[in-house]
Parts: sequence; C-alpha cells; structure tokens
Amino acid sequence: DIQMTQSPSTLSAYVGDRVTITCRASQSVNSWLAWYQQKPGKAPKRLIYKASSLASGVPSRFSGSGSGTEFTLTISSLQPDDFATYYCQQYKSYFLYTFGQGTKIEIK
Amino acid sequence: QVQLVQSGAEVKKPGASVKVSCKASEYTFTGYYNWVRQAPGQGLEWMGWINPNTGATNYAQKFQGWVTMTKDTSISTVYMDLSRLTSDDTAVYYCVYASGTDSAFDIWGQGTMVTVSS
Repeated sequence: DIQMTQSPSTLSAYVGDRVTITCRASQSVNSWLAWYQQKPGKAPKRLIYKASSLASGVPSRFSGSGSGTEFTLTISSLQPDDFATYYCQQYKSYFLYTFGQGTKIEIK
Repeated sequence: QVQLVQSGAEVKKPGASVKVSCKASEYTFTGYYNWVRQAPGQGLEWMGWINPNTGATNYAQKFQGWVTMTKDTSISTVYMDLSRLTSDDTAVYYCVYASGTDSAFDIWGQGTMVTVSS
C-alpha cells in the first residue's frame, strides 16, 4: 500500500499569510495527487488534481506542485473562508486510493 | 454538472447490515462511483468503487468480504451495503464520483451518517 503523510497536522496562521502544506508518498505516485478542503459538517471539496491542476471554480490563491513522492499545497494569501482541514490523496492505482491524515488550518 | 443525493441517516445495532443509496442527477456510464467513509473526528478512508456501466467493483482489501456495491441504472442510483456492523463502523459515508482517470474525486454526495449502537 502507498502511505501518504502530511505535515504539519495543525497549522496556526493569520489572514493574509502564505501557507504551505506538504504531502509525502511512501513510493512514487507520479503526478496522481489531489488535494481536498473540508469544512466541519461538510463533504470534502476537490481543490487540485494531477498535482497542479486547479479544479473549476477554485480561487487562484490555491496552487499545487510536486511529483513523485513530495507535493505541496500553497495558499498565497489566507482568507477567512480557508480555515478548514486539507487532505491529500494519491490515485496512482485505481485499485487502491489512499488519503493523508489531514492538516487543520486554524486562526492565529 | 452531476449532483449526488444520498439517503438519510441510519441507526443500526451491532451485527446488522446497512444499505446506503446515492442517486445521481444525471447518470453517466463513464467514470467510477466511489465510497469513502469518515469516522467521527477522523480522516478519510476509501472503501472501493463501482463501474456504472459494467457494474464491476473493486474494494479496498480491508472491506473485502463485507462490503457490496451495486447499481440500478434505471433509477440512476448506486448502493453501498456494509454487513456485520460494529461500533467501529460508526461514520459518515460519502458517495463520490470520479469522472475520469486523471480527475480524482470530482463530485461528493452530502454524506450519510451511520451510527452503530446497541
């Protein structure tokens, strides 16, 4: 199984900060990496797919990068609506998808 | 864009089974319908997928033997049946559509809370 590890688990930041979350895969997933945002009581929402492609309707302050085993999600200027939990997901093999454990962004 | 509407919350006793439905606003014969669950306060766990055209399924190893995913194309609905429930199965269950091989999980249902309690 491919294990996905996110860091940090929790992040405290101010509105306007530039924020970066890292996701590491236990083996290469090429660019088959997605990022999701989840707010309390809501379903996750896809932000990024294929490591760096922005999903439709997602603000341009979100960006993704990386390939192989190391990936990042960057929010260029944190907005009040961005305080949420973020998950990475590998989908290299459609016989086994795995998620990271999540990163919660809190207001500082 | 496809919308997914799931059935309502369920309360089950240990050992029982639960069947959650997921109705698509427009049923497509491409892509895959996945099921993902989330225990209270925990992360996301992928359970498996069903091909909406062929009905072929693929289950995560953990769930093999006790999850069944089916479809009824006549009513644009897919189902997830989980048997031999324990308290560890208490979770929100999401139906998720992946439109293509590179799209990841595009569209999520609203989730169905399943509570297992004696």
